[in-house]
Amino acid sequence: KQEVTQIPAALSVPEGENLVLNCSFTDSAIYNLQWFRQDPGKGLTSLLLIQSSQREQTSGRLNASLDKSSGRSTLYIAASQPGDSATYLCAVNHAGNMLTFGGGTRLMVKP
Amino acid sequence: NAGVTQTPKFRILKIGQSMTLQCAQDMNHNYMYWYRQDPGMGLKLIYYSVGAGITDKGEVPNGYNVSRSTTEDFPLRLELAAPSQTSVYFCASSYGSNEQFFGPGTRLTVL
Repeated sequence: KQEVTQIPAALSVPEGENLVLNCSFTDSAIYNLQWFRQDPGKGLTSLLLIQSSQREQTSGRLNASLDKSSGRSTLYIAASQPGDSATYLCAVNHAGNMLTFGGGTRLMVKP
Repeated sequence: NAGVTQTPKFRILKIGQSMTLQCAQDMNHNYMYWYRQDPGMGLKLIYYSVGAGITDKGEVPNGYNVSRSTTEDFPLRLELAAPSQTSVYFCASSYGSNEQFFGPGTRLTVL
């Protein structure tokens, strides 16, 4: 059974810092991995999708990497801003038809 | 495009009541999903569908039913509501195993 773990569970940083969120998964036979942002009381916004054949994806200040062999992905956020405060969820598509989610990292960026 | 829409946004049910959560997408996606999110947790898959007339169980299907008569709609039925079904329900869709797009969620409380 695929299990996804996100560390840390919560993170507080001052504005302007570069930061890394971690995601690990137990079964490396995946189709793709998706990072989401969730604001309190809201739905999920897709940030980045990395296919199993890719090593990384970039969108603006966000960069996500994937190392399938070690079962790890990282989300790098450059020059963090207070507007980046949210919960970040990692999800692995390992059967082609469903996502298994981690518990999320709750990020607070202080002005 | 409206994307993925869900109704209602909020609902309070009494134990034993039934209801249908509605989900629709206008992106012509063939795959659709229902997830639930309990407080402070990641999402868990309830049911999914890979096309009209085809549905299958996810990780936590007990107490729920689904149908998929059209490509656009994927309703989720709760027959005998229980307090354990208090949660936020998210519908999602995708084209095959690609990026999943989520609706805004339905917040359900069972008292």
